[in-house]
Amino acid sequence: EVQLVESGGGLVQPGGSLRLSCAASEFTLSSAWMSWVRQAPGKGLEWVAKIGGGESYVDSVKGRFTISRDNAKNSLFLQMNSLRIDDTAIYYCASGGDGGSFDYWGQGTLVTVSS
Amino acid sequence: DIVMTQSPDSLAVSLGERATINCKSSQTVLYNSNNKNYLAWYQQKPGQPPKLLIYWASTRKSGVPDRFSGSGSGTDFTLTISSLQAEDVAVYYCQQYYSAPSGAYTFGQGTKVEIK
Repeated sequence: EVQLVESGGGLVQPGGSLRLSCAASEFTLSSAWMSWVRQAPGKGLEWVAKIGGGESYVDSVKGRFTISRDNAKNSLFLQMNSLRIDDTAIYYCASGGDGGSFDYWGQGTLVTVSS
Repeated sequence: DIVMTQSPDSLAVSLGERATINCKSSQTVLYNSNNKNYLAWYQQKPGQPPKLLIYWASTRKSGVPDRFSGSGSGTDFTLTISSLQAEDVAVYYCQQYYSAPSGAYTFGQGTKVEIK
């Protein structure tokens, strides 16, 4: 069974940085495009970044967040710099499915940006 | 960006009855070259990550009960739960991936389904 496990979330002050990780098992991460999707407390889903055939980002994080992966470690990362209060959310990693749907999701890691 | 708008925001349905959720996109998500609608539906239960139910607007993911069905084309789509079960209480989201080449995926705001 495919498993995606996120880690690295926590409490950080505005302007700070965090690096999220997503470890994959029973799944070769390099074979698929991958994304990060976030969900602010009590809110809906927002796609954040994608890797696979290049990288792309939602406008609100461009220049601040960087998505990458380490194929040897079968892991996905999200480097988040210059964090803002409105970046507070659960961050999910998700694997790409047919076309552009998100096939498998991790359980998420909570990022809280607060002073 | 393509804006996805769901209706209603919430609905309460009796067990065994039909639940219908609508999703409208601000522009077409139908690619004429392959006649596919680049739209998916997800279910998110409290405290859990989303789960893919349907992609290409009407293709059910393996293992998803056949009481879930998707329909529509172009800009107007529907997710139907033919006979609501207690375990279907959740928030449902539509998502377009027509803009996938530029990476701009967008979701609807979600529809909360409860038992009446």
